[in-house]
Amino acid sequence: DIVMTQSPDSLAVSLGERATINCKSSRSVLHSSNNKNYFAWYQQKPGQPPKLLIYWASTRESGVPDRFSGSGSGTDFTLTISSLQAEDVAVYYCQQYLSTPLTFGQGTRLEIK
Amino acid sequence: EVQLLESGGGLVQPGGSLRLSCAASGFTFSTYAMSWVRQAPGKGLEWVSAIVARGGKTYYADSVKGRFTISRDSSKNTVYLQMNSLRAEDTAVYYCAKDHDQCSGGGCYTTFGEPGFDYWGQGALVTVSS
Repeated sequence: DIVMTQSPDSLAVSLGERATINCKSSRSVLHSSNNKNYFAWYQQKPGQPPKLLIYWASTRESGVPDRFSGSGSGTDFTLTISSLQAEDVAVYYCQQYLSTPLTFGQGTRLEIK
Repeated sequence: EVQLLESGGGLVQPGGSLRLSCAASGFTFSTYAMSWVRQAPGKGLEWVSAIVARGGKTYYADSVKGRFTISRDSSKNTVYLQMNSLRAEDTAVYYCAKDHDQCSGGGCYTTFGEPGFDYWGQGALVTVSS
């Protein structure tokens, strides 16, 4: 199984400041046949299902504000929120979909400082 | 508008069975793989099972293999999760989730999860306790 490890476990950032969440996979999720990273980021607010933010490591899902961006390749990935808004308070999960079982990171809780 | 509506959750004793249903609408159900993902209370996300768009190929997490069965009925636009031999550690909110991309060609018979899950149901709570 591919193990996904996020850091930090929790993060407090001031409104308007940058938030950065990292995710490392235990092996590469870059598919050699198409040079795509089989990697996604989700946001989950309390009492709600997860929401897809980013897929293919850096493609923003339709309707997701452009302050959210994803980067990285192979085994190391980053989710950046360029200017934190109050509504961004949530738990963020990374996920790989290269191989079965699909696996998620443990989650990073983002709060306002 | 895409909607996924789970039902069938509840309280069950250890060793018991339960069947979850997920009624889908707003998209061409027969062209999307579907998955179940669960979340234990206060914990993270765990992928449980998937079924491809066509042909019935299924996939399972090791933690549920041999106990859970996923199926789909395209005439009813519904995906199911039959859960047998339930354990306390199966207690969780169970979400059904739709693949972001419509399947194509041979991928309709083999592929799921790409690229991520773009719609999720609100979840069905399953509690396994005596």
